[in-house]
Amino acid sequence: AQSVTQPDIHITVSEGASLELRCNYSYGATPYLFWYVQSPGQGLQLLLKYFSGDTLVQGIKGFEAEFKRSQSSFNLRKPSVHWSDAAEYFCAGNNAGNMLTFGGGTRLMVKP
Amino acid sequence: DAGVIQSPRHEVTEMGQEVTLRCKPISGHNSLFWYRQTMMRGLELLIYFNNNVPIDDSGMPEDRFSAKMPNASFSTLKIQPSEPRDSAVYFCASSTLGQGLSPLHFGNGTRLTVT
Repeated sequence: AQSVTQPDIHITVSEGASLELRCNYSYGATPYLFWYVQSPGQGLQLLLKYFSGDTLVQGIKGFEAEFKRSQSSFNLRKPSVHWSDAAEYFCAGNNAGNMLTFGGGTRLMVKP
Repeated sequence: DAGVIQSPRHEVTEMGQEVTLRCKPISGHNSLFWYRQTMMRGLELLIYFNNNVPIDDSGMPEDRFSAKMPNASFSTLKIQPSEPRDSAVYFCASSTLGQGLSPLHFGNGTRLTVT
């Protein structure tokens, strides 16, 4: 089955440290991939998307993600985390024409 | 751009009562989605409309759930009768194109509690 997997349920990092959130996909062809962020009490907000082309994608709030076909991954990164980045992060993907699938989410906590 | 607007933000009701959740998508968006979010099951797609027509309702849990989109600017999700296991946050989202072809814009959700 086509799916998106986020191996880490919770991650804690110190403010100012770098961050990498993992996302793995299982699609036969190159999928469309997205990262969303959800702050408490709010809906999901798009951080960035990958459709094709350059495998390093820049998003909002200083986030970036890299599509690696060889590893079936689309990991989200940020060089220096701010306390306001504490939230839940969702990876999502699909092949064109199929239903979008969300990963289970990774909850990020930021230590002062 | 006011974003996707959902109402109410919170709903508390007793088992057996009818519940209606409302959604106003972003103007110009052709696709509308209803999701349910729980701790146990994460985000689940309930139903997806394209140009006001239901395209895929395979995620609707059972006949107690129904959704309508009478026009491009309004959709409802109804649960009748409601049960405690329906307690969740229900999100509406819209996009310019169909599923996954363009980013989804989410509302802030309706937190439903059924006692």
